[in-house]
Amino acid sequence: QKEVEQNSGPLSVPEGAIASLNCTYSDRGSQSFFWYRQYSGKSPELIMFIYSNGDKEDGRFTAQLNKASQYVSLLIRDSQPSDSATYLCAVKANAGKSTFGDGTTLTVKP
Amino acid sequence: SAVISQKPSRDICQRGTSLTIQCQVDSQVTMMFWYRQQPGQSLTLIATANQGSEATYESGFVIDKFPISRPNLTFSTLTVSNMSPEDSSIYLCSVEQRSTEAFFGQGTRLTVV
Repeated sequence: QKEVEQNSGPLSVPEGAIASLNCTYSDRGSQSFFWYRQYSGKSPELIMFIYSNGDKEDGRFTAQLNKASQYVSLLIRDSQPSDSATYLCAVKANAGKSTFGDGTTLTVKP
Repeated sequence: SAVISQKPSRDICQRGTSLTIQCQVDSQVTMMFWYRQQPGQSLTLIATANQGSEATYESGFVIDKFPISRPNLTFSTLTVSNMSPEDSSIYLCSVEQRSTEAFFGQGTRLTVV
């Protein structure tokens, strides 16, 4: 079992729809959870982080964390073609290295 | 957020040679990491660059192949030694501030011929 697993893609949604990206992790000691967006040929950039159970909203993005289920998700509302990218879930136990999932490629069709 | 300058941005190298990649940060950071990302795949951590001491390598990566230096809190280098075509990949420098989110350099696209 991988330490961080993301739902297999690619994921395709129409413009204006909600895109839902999911991630599960195996280390119950994980404390910090991150979502990165990576455009083709570019390096990853942080879009959301969450530390506590529940929802965290930032503009069109909502991160959801459920530590009991070891599950973290990212919702993108009103999806735009510019959201088309690979989304990486990352998990950290404490200070130190992050463990990344394999990523989910999202395509938003106009 | 930290501003990271990584160079070279790309290179084409002959097999058997070595390439050194530099990572410069505009502020002092606690943690610096080196990742590899092969086409269509996620990030694989090579090692944690420790300031003033030997790097901590992940399983499958060794110092003889990927020597790392970190002379201070703002700079690190990764050398890919005795390269083969299998080393063709994107290499990424990453830093963390306040023990939270990671920031990435622009990456180095390496092709070994």
